[in-house]
Order: sequence, then C-alpha cells, then structure tokens
Amino acid sequence: SQQGEEDPQALSIQEGENATMNCSYKTSINNLQWYRQNSGRGLVHLILIRSNEREKHSGRLRVTLDTSKKSSSLLITASRAADTASYFCATVFTGGGNKLTFGTGTQLKVEL
Amino acid sequence: GAVVSQHPSWVICKSGTSVKIECRSLDFQATTMFWYRQFPKQSLMLMATSNEGSKATYEQGVEKDKFLINHASLTLSTLTVTSAHPEDSSFYICSARVGGGYYGYTFGSGTRLTVV
Repeated sequence: SQQGEEDPQALSIQEGENATMNCSYKTSINNLQWYRQNSGRGLVHLILIRSNEREKHSGRLRVTLDTSKKSSSLLITASRAADTASYFCATVFTGGGNKLTFGTGTQLKVEL
Repeated sequence: GAVVSQHPSWVICKSGTSVKIECRSLDFQATTMFWYRQFPKQSLMLMATSNEGSKATYEQGVEKDKFLINHASLTLSTLTVTSAHPEDSSFYICSARVGGGYYGYTFGSGTRLTVV
C-alpha cells in the first residue's frame, strides 16, 4: 500500500502549547491533505496543500510540504482541549486517479 | 454544502447475515464514491472505488463477492457486507470527491459494524 507514515503515533500536550505532527509518503503526489477524526466519527477536512506549494496557513493551522523529502508537517498553535482527536495526512498520488490514501495517523490529546 | 449522509451509524448483526450500508450525497452529485474500512486505533484503508452506473473497482486483497458495492444513482452508493463474520466487525466510512479542480473530499459519519 502507498500509505504514509506519521509520527508521533500519539502526542499529549497541555492546553496552550503547540502540537506538531509529521507525515512522510513514498511516491510523487498531486497534493497532500490533512484530516481530523474525533473518536468513532467521520473525517473533517482541515487543509490541502498542492505539490507546488511549500507552506499554507488556515487559522491556527500551519502546514508545510517538502517534496524533496516527501514529507509534510501540521502545526496546531495554541492548542485547546477541543483539538483532541486523531489527525491523518492523506495524499493523492500522481497517476493514482482520485484515490485518497491515508497515513497512519497521530492521536493528539490536549489536556487542561 | 457537500454533505454525505451515511446510515446506519451503527449496526449489530449475527454471523452469516448480510448488512447494507448506505451513503447519500445530499446536495451534490457524486459520480464517484470511496469506501474505507478502519480498525480501532488504525488508519483508513481504501476498500473500493464506486462509480455511478458501472462496476466498482476493488483494492487488492478486498473480496468483491463479500463486499458488494452498488452505485445506481448519482446520489446513492451502498456497501453490502455479505455473510458477515466477526472479523468483519469494523468501522466503515464512505467518501465522495467534491467536484471541480479542488481535490477536496467529504466523508460520511461512518458505520460501526459489530458481528456477533
């Protein structure tokens, strides 16, 4: 499978701290997306970064993409307890049609 | 906009029975839908790509006779788990690509299947 690898697998921080999650993938991509999943629920799209972009911001989210290293990072600043969830990177691989392939995920816990 | 409604949200069935899961696109037409499976604390694994009016494309290792996919209209795709066994217990999620040049996808809320 062309699943990406994410690290850390689990992250526990205090409210107000920043959380950084990393994603690595294997082959050329058209774009990379980050999703959030609350326990036992569907996924919510957070942000998309295209292969020709290096950084993107959306509110408290900052995503970077390094295609030479085949890696991306998601930074959540000033975290809140409500940010507790699993976060997944997902990619559309070049030549992969419209299929979205997910990384292994990071379980984030933000404590009060 | 771009909402996918998935039902049921959870289902318990006996071994050997079949279960149907529905995904409807409420405010857009989804020519393609994707079906994923997720085990506890694991990632989503793509099972198949469902295309309106044609046969689904299954990923390697997914039994097409066990996981029947029907995409008879532009707003409805169904996944039927046939002759379910306890090892089929999982979280099933559908997704549809939101059209145009934007590579966004919207997801159903998922179905928790427990086979006893």
